[in-house]
Amino acid sequence: AQKVTQAQTEISVVEKEDVTLDCVYETRDTTYYLFWYKQPPSGELVFLIRRNSFDEQNEISGRYSWNFQKSTSSFNFTITASQVVDSAVYFCALSLTQGGSEKLVFGKGTKLTVNP
Amino acid sequence: GAGVSQTPSNKVTEKGKYVELRCDPISGHTALYWYRQSLGQGPEFLIYFQGTGAADDSGLPNDRFFAVRPEGSVSTLKIQRTERGDSAVYLCASGLGSLETQYFGPGTRLLVL
Repeated sequence: AQKVTQAQTEISVVEKEDVTLDCVYETRDTTYYLFWYKQPPSGELVFLIRRNSFDEQNEISGRYSWNFQKSTSSFNFTITASQVVDSAVYFCALSLTQGGSEKLVFGKGTKLTVNP
Repeated sequence: GAGVSQTPSNKVTEKGKYVELRCDPISGHTALYWYRQSLGQGPEFLIYFQGTGAADDSGLPNDRFFAVRPEGSVSTLKIQRTERGDSAVYLCASGLGSLETQYFGPGTRLLVL
C-alpha cells in the first residue's frame, strides 16, 4: 500500500523556536519522489521541496531543512528560528508511477501555529 | 510568469445541479491533475491528463464526475447531479510530467446546498 503518515495533527510553538514536522511513507516502488507543500490560510498549496528516492543527502534552504532517511522511510522537515509567517498547514506527499499514472499521495497535514 | 489559475474561486449550487470547474495550467505544462480536498484532509487525487488524454482517472469517485482537456491546455471538471458530499475544494495542478513537480492553483471552493 502507498501511504503517507503525518502523525502530528497540530503543533504550536513560540517565535524563534525550532520545529520539526514528521513524515513517514510506505511504498513498494524503488523509484519515487517525496515532496513538501505549504498551505497558508489563503489556501493555495505552495511547493517547498522535491527529493528523489536515490538521493539521501539532507537539504537546507535558508531556515528550512529536510532529513531523508530511507532506512526508516522518513522525510522530516525542520524550520529553524520559526516566524509567524511560517504558520500554515504543511503536507508531505509521495509521487508514484503506477501504470503510467503520476499521482501524488498526500498525508493529512500538520497545522503549525507560530505565536509571537 | 503566470501560475495555474482556476475559475470560479467559489461556487455555490443546489443539490442535483450540474457544475463545471475550469483550470488553466502553466503554459507549456503537458501534465494536468485534479485533486479534491475536504476540510482537515490532504488533497486526494481525482484524474491525471497527459496532453489531451486522461492517463489515469482512477480517483474519480463515480460516474457523475467527468473531466476533459480537449486541446491539451485548459481542463474542465464536470460534476452532474451534485450531492452535498461533493462539497470540497477542487484543486488543479500542472507539471512537466514524469515525476516532475506539480504546481497547484488556488482551488475552487464548491458548496452544494
